[in-house]
Amino acid sequence: AQSVTQLGSHVSVSEGALVLLRCNYSSSVPPYLFWYVQYPNQGLQLLLKYTSAATLVKGINGFEAEFKKSETSFHLTKPSAHMSDAAEYFCAVSITDKLIFGTGTRLQVFP
Amino acid sequence: EAGVTQSPTHLIKTRGQQATLRCSPISGHTSVYWYQQALGLGLQFLLWYDEGEERNRGNFPPRFSGRQFPNYSSELNVNALELEDSALYLCASSPLAGGDEQYFGPGTRLTVT
Repeated sequence: AQSVTQLGSHVSVSEGALVLLRCNYSSSVPPYLFWYVQYPNQGLQLLLKYTSAATLVKGINGFEAEFKKSETSFHLTKPSAHMSDAAEYFCAVSITDKLIFGTGTRLQVFP
Repeated sequence: EAGVTQSPTHLIKTRGQQATLRCSPISGHTSVYWYQQALGLGLQFLLWYDEGEERNRGNFPPRFSGRQFPNYSSELNVNALELEDSALYLCASSPLAGGDEQYFGPGTRLTVT
């Protein structure tokens, strides 16, 4: 069965520091993978998606993620954190008729 | 292009009542998905509608039901409300039947007292 695991329910970084949010997937077939962001009291916004076209995927707001089949990972990174990046981030894998989400990682950014 | 819209923003009901939540997908999208985001339980798939038909449902009891209208908007009904139904209910739409890229609305916060 396909699933995703997010390591670390909370991540704290200083403004300007590297952001690294971890996601590992389990899939018997090439997966479609996604990162979503949820700001307080809002819905989910799609950050980026991987659909096998390129292993390094660039998304909105300066985020990117690299698909590594050998490590079954799809970690999300941003070179320099901004205060406005504070939110909850969800990794998800697409099965034919639904998204399966990880448990989420709350990112805190300190000045 | 207008995004996915949901109404109401907040809904307060008492245990045993019925709740109706509404969703309008992005124009041109035929698939609508419902998810429940309950505290401590994460995001759980509820229902998928496409072309007016229920295509799949998650592991929820039958008192969670819904429908999709000819204009592709959708309703989620929750009967015999229980306290643990309190959650954020998110609707998403997709241009292709079968998931893949989904666009989410802002959600309806349902509180059951």
